[in-house]
Amino acid sequence: QVQLQQSGAELAKPGSSVKISCKASGYTFTSYYISWIKQTTGQGLEYIGYINTGSGGTNYNEKFKGKATLTVDKSSSTAFMQLSSLTPDDSAVYYCARLDYGYNYEVMDAWGQGASVTVSS
Amino acid sequence: DIQMTQSPASLSASLGETVTIECRASEDIYNGLAWYQQKPGKSPQLLIYNANSLHTGVPSRFSGSGSGTQYSLKINSLQSEDVASYFCQQYYNYPYTFGAGTKLELK
Repeated sequence: QVQLQQSGAELAKPGSSVKISCKASGYTFTSYYISWIKQTTGQGLEYIGYINTGSGGTNYNEKFKGKATLTVDKSSSTAFMQLSSLTPDDSAVYYCARLDYGYNYEVMDAWGQGASVTVSS
Repeated sequence: DIQMTQSPASLSASLGETVTIECRASEDIYNGLAWYQQKPGKSPQLLIYNANSLHTGVPSRFSGSGSGTQYSLKINSLQSEDVASYFCQQYYNYPYTFGAGTKLELK
């Protein structure tokens, strides 16, 4: 079955970076893009961007340009998101999700379990 | 960015009842709308896409409707396992945007 397994919780200091992984299994990795989504109690769900797992091409939400960097390792079917220059506002649960797209739809049909990032000195 | 306004923010209903959740887009999204269910402590799961298409494996008591800027999710014959938060999300325009969510509880 389709599974996205994310790395564990992170505690980071302001100004530092973290890198979250998302390992896919149960399907052909390069046949779907991977999306990344931020969830906080205050701001709800925010879309960060997606990566083309075949070409490595990316499309970021303007709000997260310079904050998030998406990469992929096809050999291990793993997507990564690096968050840089961390501030307390970056504290959130971050999800990866498989992006299924067709002629008239682009939906996230499988999600990782989430990775909690806490930014605190 | 397209703004998604969801209502109500919370909802309390009895087992067997029918509930409806609304989502309004700030502009026409031409049925480019999905609904997700998020149970406490879990990740969101896709229920509906293209406003009214049921995702594989989703019980038929869930249905979606709407057009233009107004959309709704209906749950017939509410079950205990339906206690969750529900989010709408538009994918007509990038960046994708989500509603703030509706928390559904049992009365």
